[in-house]
Amino acid sequence: EVQLVQSGGGLIQPGGSLRLSCVASGVTFDKTYMSWVRQAPGKGPEWVAVVFPGGYSKSADSVKGRITISRDNSKNTLHLEMNSLRGDDTAVYYCARLWADIGSPYYMDVWGKGTTVTVSS
Amino acid sequence: DIQMTQSPSTLSASVGDRVTVTCRASQSISSWLAWYQQKPGKAPKLLIYQASSLQSGVPSRFSGSASGTEFTLTISSLQPDDIATYYCQQYNSYPWTFGQGTKVEIK
Repeated sequence: EVQLVQSGGGLIQPGGSLRLSCVASGVTFDKTYMSWVRQAPGKGPEWVAVVFPGGYSKSADSVKGRITISRDNSKNTLHLEMNSLRGDDTAVYYCARLWADIGSPYYMDVWGKGTTVTVSS
Repeated sequence: DIQMTQSPSTLSASVGDRVTVTCRASQSISSWLAWYQQKPGKAPKLLIYQASSLQSGVPSRFSGSASGTEFTLTISSLQPDDIATYYCQQYNSYPWTFGQGTKVEIK
């Protein structure tokens, strides 16, 4: 069974930074595509970034230049670091495992429980 | 960016009713669309991928279909456990985008 356990987050002052972690089990992590999605209070989900097994990543324009996605394949762990935080970064942040049938694009099939980030003074 | 437009935003139906949620993409996304169910305080749960493929473990009363850029999620017989918000999401191209959600309530 695939499980994603998230940690990090909390109350952060505007202009500060965050580091979120996501530990995966039940997967061959060094071959697994992963993603981050966030959801502001009362809003729908917003895709943040995707990271390929080799570490290459793509991110949304709303966070581009402010985030670093990294992975430690020896620890089955994905990290999201974001700086210059502002109020509209307040959200629940989810990590998700990506899956694909052969010849098809990847989609998010298993999600972590989420971790809350609140940006406020 | 591809815009995903869901309707209705809220839906009220009785137990046993057939319920339909629609999602329209602003441009072609082939069949690369997923449907998620989200209950309050929980993570989204994948129901349907590739527009009409049922995710393992999801009850067969859920189904998806596509016609051009219009996609439909159908619950054949609404159950109390189906009370949730439903989101469509395209994964045809980056940035991946979600619909604004449809909240399903029991009448």
